[in-house]
Amino acid sequence: RKEVEQDPGPFNVPEGATVAFNCTYSNSASQSFFWYRQDCRKEPKLLMSVYSSGNEDGRFTAQLNRASQYISLLIRDSKLSDSATYLCVVNKGGGNKLTFGTGTQLKVEL
Amino acid sequence: SQTIHQWPATLVQPVGSPLSLECTVEGTSNPNLYWYRQAAGRGLQLLFYSVGIGQISSEVPQNLSASRPQDRQFILSSKKLLLSDSGFYLCAWSSFQGAGNTEAFFGQGTRLTVV
Repeated sequence: RKEVEQDPGPFNVPEGATVAFNCTYSNSASQSFFWYRQDCRKEPKLLMSVYSSGNEDGRFTAQLNRASQYISLLIRDSKLSDSATYLCVVNKGGGNKLTFGTGTQLKVEL
Repeated sequence: SQTIHQWPATLVQPVGSPLSLECTVEGTSNPNLYWYRQAAGRGLQLLFYSVGIGQISSEVPQNLSASRPQDRQFILSSKKLLLSDSGFYLCAWSSFQGAGNTEAFFGQGTRLTVV
């Protein structure tokens, strides 16, 4: 089983739609979780951290389910500018290594 | 504020030539440093990470090496490049606080093409 798994997509959605991504992780001792956004041919940039209680930032909501070992990202009212690859990131077992998923590609269309 | 610099942005190298990519971080002390590679259309593969000067952990066997001669300097090297070394190389840093990492911050990347 991969350390961090994501559905690669692409998810093609119309503007204004709500879309959700899931990410599963294998190490139950993982303690830090993040969602990153990567635009084509650019470096990944932090979108939001994921807290145990769940957190929201505008149209974006992140949630953590420790029992099932997955994190989710919900995007409401999708914009064309949301088109990108979304990367799930997990800290491996409380150590110093951040492990990235392969990313989920989102395409928002008119 | 913290910044991370990575250079060069683009590099075209012949097979068999050496490689040296440099990354420096400013505005923080004792960062965790990482080298990732992203092949075209693929995810990020962790190559090396370092928790301190001279401390390098290698994640994937390959013909690349990394060094950390100074606290905020991380270098990726190869003695002889292979075609399969082509990709997008990203340097990143994070802080380790308590039981987990803070988020990682990336340099702008080096797009390496081996010809």
